[in-house]
Amino acid sequence: DSGVTQTPKHLITATGQRVTLRCSPRSGDLSVYWYQQSLDQGLQFLIQYYNGEERAKGNILERFSAQQFPDLHSELNLSSLELGDSALYFCASSARAGVGADTQYFGPGTRLTVL
Amino acid sequence: AQSVAQPEDQVNVAEGNPLTVKCTYSVSGNPYLFWYVQYPNRGLQFLLKYITGDNLVKGSYGFEAEFNKSQTSFHLKKPSALVSDSALYFCAVRDMTTDSWGKLQFGAGTQVVVTP
Repeated sequence: DSGVTQTPKHLITATGQRVTLRCSPRSGDLSVYWYQQSLDQGLQFLIQYYNGEERAKGNILERFSAQQFPDLHSELNLSSLELGDSALYFCASSARAGVGADTQYFGPGTRLTVL
Repeated sequence: AQSVAQPEDQVNVAEGNPLTVKCTYSVSGNPYLFWYVQYPNRGLQFLLKYITGDNLVKGSYGFEAEFNKSQTSFHLKKPSALVSDSALYFCAVRDMTTDSWGKLQFGAGTQVVVTP
């Protein structure tokens, strides 16, 4: 158990809908990362927050957004869902941001299925 | 741009035999390298990392990795594989370029199959 929690574990929804994925980092970690894992794209970085502020953006679609709250939990919002958004979404946390030595610890993921 | 490559989609090994999973990297500057393992329907579990120092890094579950700067490689090894080591293994490099803030760049993954 990494100490990173994600809810829900599974999510099934229809095209055009909006969903919210939630992540709680390890105790004491200030940095949260979101990754998407799909069969065709592999593991792709989406976005990073550090202590409530957005720090880096990767291959995140405009239909997707995220935020980190004062209690450091983070939410990833996916809207106008398309079939191609079906994937496993991981959250990871680390103690600091921009420090190469810090390990990112991953949550169990949320499997999103768009029908 | 920083990247990692895992040249083998799958590695097959008999239980008790040595296991090697290959990874090569391309970075500007000092590399920060990681190995993760993913079991079916589970998240990524951290195995080990290379930051600096000794080229042989020891990690969890009996795994180790050898950093080779001249060959830009970071191969994962286990002296004696177990059936329970069957999983998907990912090599990753920390992207320390400007504005990346340390995101991980993952390889495509290598499926390890250990047969009894």
